[in-house]
Amino acid sequence: DTGVSQDPRHKITKRGQNVTFRCDPISEHNRLYWYRQTLGQGPEFLTYFQNEAQLEKSRLLSDRFSAERPKGSFSTLEIQRTEQGDSAMYLCAIKLIGALANTIYFGEGSWLTVV
Amino acid sequence: AQRVTQPEKLLSVFKGAPVELKCNYSYSGSPELFWYVQYSRQRLQLLLRHISRESIKGFTADLNKGETSFHLKKPFAQEEDSAMYYCALINFGNEKLTFGTGTRLTIIP
Repeated sequence: DTGVSQDPRHKITKRGQNVTFRCDPISEHNRLYWYRQTLGQGPEFLTYFQNEAQLEKSRLLSDRFSAERPKGSFSTLEIQRTEQGDSAMYLCAIKLIGALANTIYFGEGSWLTVV
Repeated sequence: AQRVTQPEKLLSVFKGAPVELKCNYSYSGSPELFWYVQYSRQRLQLLLRHISRESIKGFTADLNKGETSFHLKKPFAQEEDSAMYYCALINFGNEKLTFGTGTRLTIIP
């Protein structure tokens, strides 16, 4: 299988709680990305990593959001003190080594519902 | 700033009829354009990209720099084409894909 595995697939949490999503790349890659998708919208870029270095962060990534990639393997996205506006699909994606430049593959996503 | 516009949120087409999903873009560099598709309960998948100039599942898309468009076309729609379609853009040297809001295509049997 090509791409990424994400966990959990669905998460329901109470407002104010912290949540963490995990992304495990399956295929060899040189970039790892996080995107967010809200209902009726296309995915929006949040941040990306090259190995363990976080190289760019969107303004969408408020202080309550933090992404990490220890040792350049799996990545986590943590949201602290969740708000109802955080309800969305959180997508992890990778750019494959050897693939055509700029070919980005997405995982199945993690649905977050904040109640 | 880069922006992708998909003017149709919903599009219904009869099976066997031609399909055209519209995409217009604005950019400030050297853009590369993509179409992604999401079938029901499946992940977002790359359908095609303008630099490949290929046809995937009967779909083609031509980059028109004069009109800043990248419309997706298929001459004869099939029921399995029903899905959500997203047009996306990336600028050379940039790592950020910018997506449109998507068009939900429904093929009527």
